[in-house]
This record gives sequence, structure tokens and C-alpha cells, in this order.
Amino acid sequence: AQSVSQHNHHVILSEAASLELGCNYSYGGTVNLFWYVQYPGQHLQLLLKYFSGDPLVKGIKGFEAEFIKSKFSFNLRKPSVQWSDTAEYFCAVSPPGGGNKLTFGTGTQLKVEL
Amino acid sequence: GAVVSQHPSRVICKSGTSVKIECRSLDFQATTMFWYRQFPKQSLMLMATSNEGSKATYEQGVEKDKFLINHASLTLSTLTVTSAHPEDSSFYICSAPRTGQLDTEAFFGQGTRLTVV
Repeated sequence: AQSVSQHNHHVILSEAASLELGCNYSYGGTVNLFWYVQYPGQHLQLLLKYFSGDPLVKGIKGFEAEFIKSKFSFNLRKPSVQWSDTAEYFCAVSPPGGGNKLTFGTGTQLKVEL
Repeated sequence: GAVVSQHPSRVICKSGTSVKIECRSLDFQATTMFWYRQFPKQSLMLMATSNEGSKATYEQGVEKDKFLINHASLTLSTLTVTSAHPEDSSFYICSAPRTGQLDTEAFFGQGTRLTVV
């Protein structure tokens, strides 16, 4: 069975600080990898995804993530956060052809202070 | 982006009653929808896969007779929590990928907060 670990449950940063959120997964084969974000009072929405190819993927709003197969990791990064990045971030995986049948991590609550 | 609407957003019901939650894809067709559940401070857990015109597929440990899923049209799936008990109180979220694009992006509803008293 698949599992996803997000190590940071709560992160507080000042504006302009750099962000890195950890995500490790456990699965015996190829996976599709996702980061979703949920802003306060809004739906979950896709930040970025990795299926194959360049392991460094760029998403919306200046976010990027790097797939490191040897470490089973897919960490999310942003060089300079903004107050508007305050949200909850979820890492998720699905098997290829899994039709978006997602296994989620527990989420990381990010608060960006002015 | 595509929109998935979930209704109601909050519901409080008495123990022993049933509650129906609707998930609609507003501007696209979805032959497959997914139902998730989230307990406080825990991750979203997949409950079942809803398939238009056929029976839902339930994840291990999810009682199909308690969580009835109906996917009668290409834009609507419903989850009915039957004979609800306080332990069913949770946050329920649906998601839907576009038909024929299962491996791209799934769009999420806003979730339903169910409280059973």
C-alpha cells in the first residue's frame, strides 16, 4: 500500500523567506506525484504535478518541486514566500493510470507573517 | 479551471438518520468521481470510487452499506451516510477528473462538514 509522509505539520515564515516542505512516499513502483494547496475557505487546488521527464517541475505561483527517486521524495519549494501563500499544503501520490485515486499526506499548515 | 460543487457545505443531523451529500461537476463530464474523508488533524483518506452507471468501488474497511454511493449521471455523484452515528462526524470531500483525462488533474469540491449529534 502507498503512504505519504509530510514532516512539517506547521510552518511559520516571514515574508520573503524561502520555503521547503518535505514529502516522502512509500510505494514499490512508479508513481504520479502531486502537490495541492487549500487556501482558507477555498477548494483544494493543484499546485503542480510530476508524471515523468524532468524531475524538477514548476507549478503555479512560483512554486516548484523536485522528484528524487533514490530518496522517494518530492519536496516543495518557493524562493520567496508571500503573505498570500498562507494555506494548507498537501502532498499526494497515485499509481500511473490510477485515475487520480490519490493517497494524501497529512498536510502542512503554512503561515506567512508580514 | 473546472468547477466541482459539493452540497451541503455543512450539515448537522441526529443519530440514526441518513444524510445525502451531492457532488456535481458543473462544466465538464465526469464518469469517475472520488469520495474522501478527513478526520481532524489527519490526512484525506479515499473512501470509494464512484463510477457512472455502475457500482462504486470501496476501499478496504469502508462499509458499502453504510456509505451508499450513486452516480446516476455524468455530472452527479451522491454519498448517503445511512443510520449516521457520532463517529461518522467528519469532513467529506469529492473530486472529479475530466472524462478521458483521468491522469491529469482532479478537481475538488469544497467539502461537507458532517456533525452527528
